[in-house]
Amino acid sequence: AQKVTQAQTEISVVEKEDVTLDCVYETRDTTYYLFWYKQPPSGELVFLIRRNSFDEQNEISGRYSWNFQKSTSSFNFTITASQVVDSAVYFCALRESDSGYSTLTFGKGTMLLVSP
Amino acid sequence: NAGVTQTPKFRILKIGQSMTLQCTQDMNHNYMYWYRQDPGMGLKLIYYSVGAGITDKGEVPNGYNVSRSTTEDFPLRLELAAPSQTSVYFCASSYGSTGTDTQYFGPGTRLTVL
Repeated sequence: AQKVTQAQTEISVVEKEDVTLDCVYETRDTTYYLFWYKQPPSGELVFLIRRNSFDEQNEISGRYSWNFQKSTSSFNFTITASQVVDSAVYFCALRESDSGYSTLTFGKGTMLLVSP
Repeated sequence: NAGVTQTPKFRILKIGQSMTLQCTQDMNHNYMYWYRQDPGMGLKLIYYSVGAGITDKGEVPNGYNVSRSTTEDFPLRLELAAPSQTSVYFCASSYGSTGTDTQYFGPGTRLTVL
């Protein structure tokens, strides 16, 4: 069965600090997909990124970067020079298989608080 | 292009009451989903639909019902509300069901059952 663990329940940083959110996953599939979603205080869920299991290249998008390591089953998310607007709950999610229907399994989320 | 919309945004129910949470998407997606999010937890799948007229149970379907008469709409029905159904409900949609298909979420409905 697939599982996603976000061990950090809450992280507090001061603006301009770098912060890394950890995500560890479990799956028996060789083909799978990993996602990060952001949930700001307003409550909606915003899609950030999707990675497939065959692509271990790190991804950078502005201040956001993602480090995917199959050897440690991790898909960590780093925010560089954090800003108050980054304050949100961040969810990591996993979807197995490339065919047929498969469930999107979420971690419990990490609440990031960025103070001025 | 509104994406996924949900109504209402907030609702308070008394135990035993019924209500329908509405969800509409304008992206012509085949797949639609209902999740619930309890405090400090991730999202859990209640029901999903692979197309008009086809629905299936997710991880936590008890106490809920769904229907899918059109591609755009996927309402969630609570027949006899219980305090355990106090949660935030999210509707989502995706074009397909494979791992490459990203699910896009609505803004959520915050439901309290007293």
